[in-house]
Amino acid sequence: QVQLQQSGAELAKPGTSVKLSCKASGYTFTSYYIYWVKQRPGQGLEWIGYIYPGNGGTYYSEKFKGKATFTADTSSSTAYMLLGSLTPEDSAYYFCARRGYSAYYWYFDFWGPGTMVTVSS
Amino acid sequence: DVVLTQTPVSLSVTLGDQASISCRSSQSLEYSDGYTYLEWYLQKPGQSPQLLIYEVSNRFSGVPDRFIGSGSGTDFTLKISRVEPEDLGVYYCFQATHDPNTFGAGTKLELK
Repeated sequence: QVQLQQSGAELAKPGTSVKLSCKASGYTFTSYYIYWVKQRPGQGLEWIGYIYPGNGGTYYSEKFKGKATFTADTSSSTAYMLLGSLTPEDSAYYFCARRGYSAYYWYFDFWGPGTMVTVSS
Repeated sequence: DVVLTQTPVSLSVTLGDQASISCRSSQSLEYSDGYTYLEWYLQKPGQSPQLLIYEVSNRFSGVPDRFIGSGSGTDFTLKISRVEPEDLGVYYCFQATHDPNTFGAGTKLELK
């Protein structure tokens, strides 16, 4: 069955970086987009962007350009998001989600459990 | 960026009631291929979001038929007939027609 396993909670200092992982299983990793979504505690969902592991192509929301960097390791079916120059505003849950499809339809059919990132000195 | 405005912000219901959530877009969500990439997700407390509806009105596998999506262009609605306890949480609309994709701010469905 399809699963997305995300790495554990991170506590980081301002100005540093963290690299979050999203390990996929149960499907062909290179055939589906992986999206990343931010959610600050008690707040709504914010779209960060996506990576297509099949060719490494990426797209970032303007707000996250320079903040987030997506990579994918096809040998381990794992997607990564590097968050750099951390500030307290980066403290949030970060979800990865698979962009599934059926015929012409697309949707987020599987989500990871989320990784909590706390930025504090 | 496309702004999705959800109303109401919160909705208090009695079990068995009908609930209706509106999602209004700042631009038409009909793509050049004729499809409208408007989806609805439910996030239950402490959980990841889960897909309810895709392409305006298509229920995802396993979603009960009491969830009904409708709309076109810039105006969309999610109706839940006969609210049940497992329906409580925050509902988000999401558009993937335009880049960057965007979520609505959410509607919290809670018990009266």
